[in-house]
Amino acid sequence: AQSVTQLDSHVSVSEGTPVLLRCNYSSSYSPSLFWYVQHPNKGLQLLLKYTSAATLVKGINGFEAEFKKSETSFHLTKPSAHMSDAAEYFCVVSELRGADGLTFGKGTHLIIQP
Amino acid sequence: NAGVTQTPKFQVLKTGQSMTLQCAQDMNHEYMSWYRQDPGMGLRLIHYSVGAGITDQGEVPNGYNVSRSTTEDFPLRLLSAAPSQTSVYFCASSSRQGNSSPLHFGNGTRLTVT
Repeated sequence: AQSVTQLDSHVSVSEGTPVLLRCNYSSSYSPSLFWYVQHPNKGLQLLLKYTSAATLVKGINGFEAEFKKSETSFHLTKPSAHMSDAAEYFCVVSELRGADGLTFGKGTHLIIQP
Repeated sequence: NAGVTQTPKFQVLKTGQSMTLQCAQDMNHEYMSWYRQDPGMGLRLIHYSVGAGITDQGEVPNGYNVSRSTTEDFPLRLLSAAPSQTSVYFCASSSRQGNSSPLHFGNGTRLTVT
């Protein structure tokens, strides 16, 4: 079975400062991991994905995430926050084998202070 | 490119009424799914389909029916609406189920049951 835990329900940063959104996962097999972003009244949009290639994954809008198997983590980072980054972020795990499909974290609400 | 289109965007129902949420995709994706999003709960899978004529239950299927007569369309039916079904509903599609294929989401249907 697989699961995912987003460690913070809300994160607040000032514009221009680094962003860190934390995600831990558990999986019986080699997982695929995703980060999605949801802006208000919109559907989810893929930011980036990890599928057993390079452990440091670069996504859209300057975001990146590092897969750390020893820590079972897949934290999302960005060097400098922009006001437009304010949104809900979801970490998602999917096992390459098995029938569970995708499991979503409960989300982290990112607030950008001017 | 339309992607995944959901209609209606908003709907208010009275308890006991039935309705169908429409979902269509124009990417020739095999896999389609329905999620509901509730505050603090992330996204939960209702039903999914791996191709025309094939559907299966997800995590929270009770009170919902689906069918997949074509590759493009995947409607979700509420048989007898209940206040517990007040939620935001998202349809999603991908080229393959789970593993490394990211989901493409519609913009959601906000449903209120009174």
